[in-house]
Amino acid sequence: ELKVEQNPLFLSMQEGKNYTIYCNYSTTSDRLYWYRQDPGKSLESLFVLLSNGAVKQEGRLMASLDTKARLSTLHITAAVHDLSATYFCAVDERASGSRLTFGEGTQLTVNP
Amino acid sequence: GAGVSQSPRYKVTKRGQDVALRCDPISGHVSLYWYRQALGQGPEFLTYFNYEAQQDKSGLPNDRFSAERPEGSISTLTIQRTEQRDSAMYRCASSSIPGDEQYFGPGTRLTVT
Repeated sequence: ELKVEQNPLFLSMQEGKNYTIYCNYSTTSDRLYWYRQDPGKSLESLFVLLSNGAVKQEGRLMASLDTKARLSTLHITAAVHDLSATYFCAVDERASGSRLTFGEGTQLTVNP
Repeated sequence: GAGVSQSPRYKVTKRGQDVALRCDPISGHVSLYWYRQALGQGPEFLTYFNYEAQQDKSGLPNDRFSAERPEGSISTLTIQRTEQRDSAMYRCASSSIPGDEQYFGPGTRLTVT
């Protein structure tokens, strides 16, 4: 059974600081997704990582994938309050466009 | 363009009643997925379709849950004889092709009393 673990689960940080969220998974896969969820809202797709070594950046967020280590990171640069949300990573276990297995989520709070 | 839509947005039902949750995917999207999300947790896979064919229903908790997508577009998730433990947010997602990023709908909040 595929397990996807994120850490930390809760992150409180100051504006302007940098931090990294980690996503470990337990089986071979080269498809990993990052989503953002605001309270009471749906999930918004942030990044799709489809191969080993993939790196994608959007604004203050950068995601990377190391399939050999079964690890993805979401790096936050110079955090701003608007980034406060819950971030989920999700792994496509079968790499065939089927089920996604989600991590527990990292609840990020950026304080002014 | 229009995103994934779901109806109803909120559903309160009494234990033992049947409910039907509807998902209207993004037009032209081949793949449609159902997930269930408990408060404070990530979504949990239920089932998915490519066109009208149900490809994987291994995430459905038991035989009270079923889903269909008869014309390859709109899908219905049906829960028979609802129980309190069925209370959750039910989310639908679609992707243009299998394996592409999944776009999520707003969800249906189901409460079983």
